Amino acid sequence: GENVEQHPSTLSVQEGDSAVIKCTYSDSASNYFPWYKQELGKRPQLIIDIRSNVGEKKDQRIAVTLNKTAKHFSLHITETQPEDSAVYFCAAPQGFQKLVFGTGTRLLVSP
Amino acid sequence: DTAVSQTPKYLVTQMGNDKSIKCEQNLGHDTMYWYKQDSKKFLKIMFSYNNKELIINETVPNRFSPKSPDKAHLNLHINSLELGDSAVYFCASSPRTSGIYEQYFGPGTRLTVT
Repeated sequence: GENVEQHPSTLSVQEGDSAVIKCTYSDSASNYFPWYKQELGKRPQLIIDIRSNVGEKKDQRIAVTLNKTAKHFSLHITETQPEDSAVYFCAAPQGFQKLVFGTGTRLLVSP
Repeated sequence: DTAVSQTPKYLVTQMGNDKSIKCEQNLGHDTMYWYKQDSKKFLKIMFSYNNKELIINETVPNRFSPKSPDKAHLNLHINSLELGDSAVYFCASSPRTSGIYEQYFGPGTRLTVT
């Protein structure tokens, strides 16, 4: 089955810096890679996703890159703001309609 | 509001009791899920239903029994609650029956077993 590894587990940056979170997956057939943001006490919410037919996708300050050969994908947040502080989860599909989530990265953006 | 809703939001109960969590989505989605998030924030899928049919059943104790009366509702009943069941339980739904698409999560139910 799919195995998703996520690093780092915690990340502290200063406001305005960039943050990068990386995930690796094991199933070369995987074709959909979402990133979820979970604020304290809230539900996980999709912030960006990428499919295997593209290598990069951007949405304002966030971007996701995918390297299918190396089987890893990354979340990039530029010009971080305190409201970016949250736990971020990557995920990859396993079988039919199932997502395997990474272990999460706690991002702390200090003013 | 269109959303995934869960009740109750908080549930505090004693070991050995039986409890239920209810989930409803009005997004017209075909697939619904239950996830467990433990104190370390790990998100683990427990069950998935597609149009009222169970399609994913992870290694979950038999004390956990999901039930889907229709494709808009997915409930979770837990028998003989144990301390280790304490966690946040999230319901989620997804719009398509084939492929992997965005999952919309409910607000979560924080279960505390004492």
